[in-house]
Amino acid sequence: DAGVTQSPTHLIKTRGQHVTLRCSPISGHKSVSWYQQVLGQGPQFIFQYYEKEERGRGNFPDRFSARQFPNYSSELNVNALLLGDSALYLCASSTTPGTGDGNIQYFGAGTRLSVL
Amino acid sequence: ILNVEQSPQSLHVQEGDSTNFTCSFPSSNFYALHWYRWETAKSPEALFVMTLNGDEKKKGRISATLNTKEGYSYLYIKGSQPEDSATYLCAFTSGTYKYIFGTGTRLKVLA
Repeated sequence: DAGVTQSPTHLIKTRGQHVTLRCSPISGHKSVSWYQQVLGQGPQFIFQYYEKEERGRGNFPDRFSARQFPNYSSELNVNALLLGDSALYLCASSTTPGTGDGNIQYFGAGTRLSVL
Repeated sequence: ILNVEQSPQSLHVQEGDSTNFTCSFPSSNFYALHWYRWETAKSPEALFVMTLNGDEKKKGRISATLNTKEGYSYLYIKGSQPEDSATYLCAFTSGTYKYIFGTGTRLKVLA
C-alpha cells in the first residue's frame, strides 16, 4: 500500500505569490493534518481536516487555508507569500482525528518551499 | 502557551553505546505522548504512543517510559547502531486535534 504522498517535493516561489501544496492520505484514512517545520524547530500544527470538514486550526494567519476533497486528499494554500513562509510542509494522515493510543499519524516526506 | 522541550538538542555516540534522551511536557491536561523517529530525507515514523502514567513501551532496542505526574518521558536506545542515526521527536496532546512537538534530539551514531 502507498504511504502518504505529497507533491511537489520542492518548490521555489517569490514574495507575494500564491502556492498550493497537495497531499494524498493512506487509503482508508479520513483525517489529514498539515504542519510547518522551520529549520531548528519542531513541526507546528496548521490544520486538521476530517470527513472534508476543518476540525482544528493552529496559530497561522488567514493567508493559510486548506480543504479536503471527497477522496480525502487535501490541499494547503498559502497566499501573499512571505520570506518567513520558507519551510518544510508536512502532511499526516490517520484513520480518525483522535490523538490517543491506537490513533497513529503517518507522515509524508514533505514539500520544501523556498520563498525568495 | 504549552511548551514541549527535548534534551539534549543533539548528541554523538559510538556504535554499541546505549543512550537516552528526555521529553518534557506540561503535566496538566495530559492525554497522550507520541514519539517519532525521523531520518534525513524521509518521513517521520511513529515509534510509540504513550497514555498512562508509568507506561513502558519497547520496540527492539528502543524503549520509552512515561511519567505524567512530573511531565517527562525518556527514550532509551540500547547498543546504538549507525542506522539509529536520526532525529527523535516527541509530541504532546491534551485530547484535542492538536499535537505539540518538541524541537527534537538529533542522534548521530559513529561506526
